[in-house]
Amino acid sequence: QKEVEQDPGPLSVPEGAIVSLNCTYSNSAFQYFMWYRQYSRKGPELLMYTYSSGNKEDGRFTAQVDKSSKYISLFIRDSQPSDSATYLCAAANTGFQKLVFGTGTRLLVSP
Amino acid sequence: ETGVTQTPRHLVMGMTNKKSLKCEQHLGHNAMYWYKQSAKKPLELMFVYSLEERVENNSVPSRFSPECPNSSHLFLHLHTLQPEDSALYLCASSQGPLVTFFGQGTRLTVV
Repeated sequence: QKEVEQDPGPLSVPEGAIVSLNCTYSNSAFQYFMWYRQYSRKGPELLMYTYSSGNKEDGRFTAQVDKSSKYISLFIRDSQPSDSATYLCAAANTGFQKLVFGTGTRLLVSP
Repeated sequence: ETGVTQTPRHLVMGMTNKKSLKCEQHLGHNAMYWYKQSAKKPLELMFVYSLEERVENNSVPSRFSPECPNSSHLFLHLHTLQPEDSALYLCASSQGPLVTFFGQGTRLTVV
Protein backbone atom coordinates (compact mmCIF):
# COMPACT_ATOMS: atom_id res chain seq x y z
CA GLN A 1 0.00 0.00 0.00
CA LYS A 2 1.36 3.44 -0.92
CA GLU A 3 1.79 5.76 2.03
CA VAL A 4 0.09 8.62 0.17
CA GLU A 5 -2.56 7.88 -2.46
CA GLN A 6 -3.77 10.36 -5.03
CA ASP A 7 -6.04 9.98 -8.06
CA PRO A 8 -3.94 10.83 -11.14
CA GLY A 9 -6.88 12.35 -13.04
CA PRO A 10 -7.05 14.22 -15.31
CA LEU A 11 -9.75 16.28 -13.67
CA SER A 12 -11.43 18.58 -16.18
CA VAL A 13 -13.57 21.53 -15.02
CA PRO A 14 -14.92 24.72 -16.60
CA GLU A 15 -13.52 28.09 -15.61
CA GLY A 16 -15.09 29.41 -12.41
CA ALA A 17 -15.80 25.98 -10.94
CA ILE A 18 -14.85 24.94 -7.42
CA VAL A 19 -12.18 22.26 -7.60
CA SER A 20 -11.64 19.61 -4.96
CA LEU A 21 -8.36 17.69 -5.00
CA ASN A 22 -7.89 14.86 -2.52
CA CYS A 23 -5.35 12.48 -1.05
CA THR A 24 -5.45 9.73 1.52
CA TYR A 25 -2.56 8.55 3.62
CA SER A 26 -1.84 5.51 5.74
CA ASN A 27 0.86 6.59 8.21
CA SER A 28 -0.77 7.97 11.35
CA ALA A 29 2.59 9.53 12.36
CA PHE A 30 2.30 12.14 9.62
CA GLN A 31 1.85 15.60 11.14
CA TYR A 32 2.64 17.97 8.28
CA PHE A 33 0.77 18.10 5.00
CA MET A 34 1.71 20.01 1.91
CA TRP A 35 0.36 20.83 -1.53
CA TYR A 36 2.65 21.54 -4.46
CA ARG A 37 1.70 22.74 -7.92
CA GLN A 38 3.71 21.63 -10.93
CA TYR A 39 3.29 23.18 -14.34
CA SER A 40 4.41 21.26 -17.42
CA ARG A 41 8.20 21.22 -17.80
CA LYS A 42 8.68 22.98 -14.47
CA GLY A 43 9.62 21.88 -10.97
CA PRO A 44 7.01 21.69 -8.20
CA GLU A 45 6.29 24.88 -6.22
CA LEU A 46 5.00 24.85 -2.67
CA LEU A 47 1.42 26.15 -2.48
CA MET A 48 0.43 25.55 1.12
CA TYR A 49 1.26 23.51 4.16
CA THR A 50 -0.72 22.67 7.27
CA TYR A 51 0.08 21.11 10.59
CA SER A 52 -2.17 18.41 12.05
CA SER A 53 -5.92 18.72 11.45
CA GLY A 54 -7.87 21.75 10.39
CA ASN A 55 -8.18 24.26 7.57
CA LYS A 56 -5.86 26.84 6.12
CA GLU A 57 -6.90 29.45 3.58
CA ASP A 58 -4.78 31.48 1.18
CA GLY A 59 -6.67 33.49 -1.39
CA ARG A 60 -8.64 31.13 -3.62
CA PHE A 61 -6.96 28.08 -2.08
CA THR A 62 -8.06 26.18 1.04
CA ALA A 63 -6.17 23.20 2.45
CA GLN A 64 -8.01 20.84 4.75
CA VAL A 65 -6.74 17.92 6.82
CA ASP A 66 -8.88 15.34 8.59
CA LYS A 67 -6.53 13.16 10.62
CA SER A 68 -9.33 10.94 11.88
CA SER A 69 -10.01 9.72 8.36
CA LYS A 70 -6.45 10.33 7.06
CA TYR A 71 -7.80 12.56 4.32
CA ILE A 72 -6.16 15.65 2.78
CA SER A 73 -7.98 18.10 0.51
CA LEU A 74 -7.18 21.18 -1.53
CA PHE A 75 -10.06 23.37 -2.67
CA ILE A 76 -9.68 25.95 -5.42
CA ARG A 77 -12.44 28.54 -5.72
CA ASP A 78 -13.20 30.40 -8.95
CA SER A 79 -10.79 28.19 -10.88
CA GLN A 80 -8.86 29.80 -13.74
CA PRO A 81 -7.21 28.30 -16.85
CA SER A 82 -3.88 29.30 -15.25
CA ASP A 83 -4.64 26.79 -12.47
CA SER A 84 -4.20 23.98 -15.01
CA ALA A 85 -1.28 21.98 -13.64
CA THR A 86 -0.47 18.84 -11.71
CA TYR A 87 -1.12 19.10 -7.98
CA LEU A 88 1.02 17.00 -5.65
CA CYS A 89 0.13 16.29 -2.05
CA ALA A 90 2.87 15.36 0.40
CA ALA A 91 3.08 14.39 4.04
CA ALA A 92 5.80 14.18 6.66
CA ASN A 93 6.28 13.35 10.30
CA THR A 94 8.43 15.51 12.55
CA GLY A 95 11.41 14.62 10.34
CA PHE A 96 10.23 17.05 7.72
CA GLN A 97 12.91 16.27 5.21
CA LYS A 98 11.39 12.86 4.55
CA LEU A 99 8.45 14.10 2.54
CA VAL A 100 6.27 11.35 1.08
CA PHE A 101 4.53 12.43 -2.10
CA GLY A 102 1.41 11.29 -3.89
CA THR A 103 1.57 10.66 -7.64
CA GLY A 104 -0.12 13.98 -8.44
CA THR A 105 -3.51 14.90 -9.93
CA ARG A 106 -3.58 16.63 -13.30
CA LEU A 107 -6.12 19.48 -13.37
CA LEU A 108 -7.43 21.02 -16.60
CA VAL A 109 -9.49 24.21 -16.36
CA SER A 110 -11.14 25.11 -19.66
CA PRO A 111 -12.09 28.71 -20.56
CA GLU B 1 12.18 32.76 -11.70
CA THR B 2 13.25 29.91 -9.47
CA GLY B 3 16.12 30.43 -7.02
CA VAL B 4 17.29 26.88 -7.73
CA THR B 5 19.05 26.41 -11.08
CA GLN B 6 19.69 23.03 -12.64
CA THR B 7 21.87 22.20 -15.62
CA PRO B 8 21.58 20.70 -18.10
CA ARG B 9 17.81 20.81 -18.69
CA HIS B 10 17.96 17.77 -20.96
CA LEU B 11 20.50 14.96 -21.14
CA VAL B 12 20.72 11.86 -23.30
CA MET B 13 23.39 9.37 -22.34
CA GLY B 14 24.43 5.85 -23.19
CA MET B 15 24.63 3.16 -20.57
CA THR B 16 28.43 3.28 -20.52
CA ASN B 17 28.71 7.07 -20.24
CA LYS B 18 29.60 9.15 -17.21
CA LYS B 19 27.84 12.46 -16.76
CA SER B 20 27.04 14.89 -13.96
CA LEU B 21 23.98 16.95 -13.10
CA LYS B 22 24.53 20.31 -11.48
CA CYS B 23 22.36 22.29 -9.08
CA GLU B 24 22.93 25.73 -7.65
CA GLN B 25 20.74 27.57 -5.16
CA HIS B 26 20.85 31.33 -4.70
CA LEU B 27 18.62 31.45 -1.62
CA GLY B 28 21.08 30.99 1.23
CA HIS B 29 19.38 27.74 2.24
CA ASN B 30 21.16 25.18 4.41
CA ALA B 31 19.73 21.96 2.97
CA MET B 32 19.69 20.55 -0.56
CA TYR B 33 17.98 17.51 -2.03
CA TRP B 34 17.91 15.27 -5.09
CA TYR B 35 14.55 13.80 -6.11
CA LYS B 36 13.63 11.46 -8.96
CA GLN B 37 10.29 11.91 -10.75
CA SER B 38 9.11 9.10 -13.04
CA ALA B 39 5.86 8.99 -14.98
CA LYS B 40 2.89 7.84 -12.89
CA LYS B 41 5.09 7.45 -9.79
CA PRO B 42 5.45 9.66 -6.71
CA LEU B 43 8.46 11.88 -6.30
CA GLU B 44 11.23 9.79 -4.75
CA LEU B 45 13.74 11.32 -2.37
CA MET B 46 17.25 10.20 -3.31
CA PHE B 47 19.65 12.26 -1.23
CA VAL B 48 19.55 14.96 1.41
CA TYR B 49 22.42 17.20 2.40
CA SER B 50 22.09 19.37 5.46
CA LEU B 51 24.91 21.80 6.17
CA GLU B 52 26.91 20.01 3.47
CA GLU B 53 26.68 16.63 5.23
CA ARG B 54 24.73 13.78 3.68
CA VAL B 55 21.92 12.82 6.05
CA GLU B 56 19.79 10.56 3.88
CA ASN B 57 20.58 8.02 1.18
CA ASN B 58 17.35 6.09 0.77
CA SER B 59 19.05 3.01 -0.68
CA VAL B 60 19.85 4.60 -4.02
CA PRO B 61 22.01 2.43 -6.33
CA SER B 62 25.70 3.26 -6.29
CA ARG B 63 25.59 4.26 -9.96
CA PHE B 64 24.22 7.54 -8.57
CA SER B 65 26.83 9.46 -6.60
CA PRO B 66 26.05 12.83 -4.99
CA GLU B 67 28.52 15.55 -4.14
CA CYS B 68 27.92 18.71 -2.12
CA PRO B 69 31.07 20.86 -2.12
CA ASN B 70 29.35 23.79 -0.35
CA SER B 71 25.91 24.87 0.76
CA SER B 72 25.08 26.43 -2.61
CA HIS B 73 26.07 23.63 -4.97
CA LEU B 74 24.98 20.06 -5.41
CA PHE B 75 26.01 17.53 -8.02
CA LEU B 76 24.72 14.13 -9.04
CA HIS B 77 27.35 12.02 -10.78
CA LEU B 78 25.98 9.32 -13.06
CA HIS B 79 27.73 6.24 -14.42
CA THR B 80 26.66 2.98 -16.06
CA LEU B 81 23.00 3.88 -15.82
CA GLN B 82 20.13 1.67 -16.96
CA PRO B 83 17.20 2.62 -19.23
CA GLU B 84 14.86 2.49 -16.21
CA ASP B 85 16.86 5.38 -14.72
CA SER B 86 15.34 7.67 -17.38
CA ALA B 87 13.33 10.26 -15.45
CA LEU B 88 13.14 13.89 -14.38
CA TYR B 89 15.76 14.61 -11.71
CA LEU B 90 14.82 17.47 -9.44
CA CYS B 91 17.02 19.43 -7.10
CA ALA B 92 15.46 21.27 -4.17
CA SER B 93 16.58 23.42 -1.27
CA SER B 94 15.22 24.54 2.07
CA GLN B 95 16.10 26.61 5.07
CA GLY B 96 15.26 24.25 7.86
CA PRO B 97 13.18 21.16 7.36
CA LEU B 98 10.40 22.30 5.01
CA VAL B 99 11.24 21.64 1.34
CA THR B 100 10.24 24.85 -0.31
CA PHE B 101 12.02 25.40 -3.59
CA PHE B 102 12.54 23.02 -6.48
CA GLY B 103 14.59 23.55 -9.60
CA GLN B 104 13.14 22.98 -13.06
CA GLY B 105 14.72 19.57 -13.31
CA THR B 106 16.96 17.69 -15.70
CA ARG B 107 15.13 15.39 -18.11
CA LEU B 108 17.43 12.36 -18.39
CA THR B 109 17.12 9.73 -21.09
CA VAL B 110 19.33 6.64 -20.93
CA VAL B 111 19.69 4.83 -24.25
